Amino acid sequence: RKEVEQDPGPFNVPEGATVAFNCTYSNSASQSFFWYRQDCRKEPKLLMSVYSSGNEDGRFTAQLNRASQYISLLIRDSKLSDSATYLCVQAGGFKTIFGAGTRLFVKA
Amino acid sequence: DVKVTQSSRYLVKRTGEKVFLECVQDMDHENMFWYRQDPGLGLRLIYFSYDVKMKEKGDIPEGYSVSREKKERFSLILESASTNQTSMYLCASRPGQNNEKLFFGSGTQLSVL
Repeated sequence: RKEVEQDPGPFNVPEGATVAFNCTYSNSASQSFFWYRQDCRKEPKLLMSVYSSGNEDGRFTAQLNRASQYISLLIRDSKLSDSATYLCVQAGGFKTIFGAGTRLFVKA
Repeated sequence: DVKVTQSSRYLVKRTGEKVFLECVQDMDHENMFWYRQDPGLGLRLIYFSYDVKMKEKGDIPEGYSVSREKKERFSLILESASTNQTSMYLCASRPGQNNEKLFFGSGTQLSVL
């Protein structure tokens, strides 16, 4: 079993839709979680950290459920520019584990 | 802004060649990392360095070595390139162990023929 698992998608949604991605992790001792965004043929860039209390950044909401060992990312009012691959990441010390990513296509 | 620079965007090498991938960061970060990214597999850690002249194996170090003679520069070396090392190579850095956010270079797409 992979340490961090994501649904690879692709998710195809129309502009304005709300879309949610989930990610499960196996190491219950993991301390920190993040979502990264990666555009085609580009490097990953940090989208947001994920906190146990849940956190929001504009149209993006991230949640962490330690009891069930999953994190989620919710995107509201999707834009064409949200089309990308979203990587779920768990980190602790020097160990940073990336999920394989979920591809999102937002269509006009 | 943090800048992580990888020397080549695209590289084509032949089997058996020695290959050097260079990475430089300009923010005095302590930790530096080399990943490879393959479709369906995500990013996998090859080597990392938590300080100058220090290096540690990641999850897939076989066939690779690294060098960190200066704080800002972390080099990945393929001693004898093989076709299964064709991949996207990503360098990353971060301030230190207490700050886990990674900053990536733009990547080097290496093709070994």
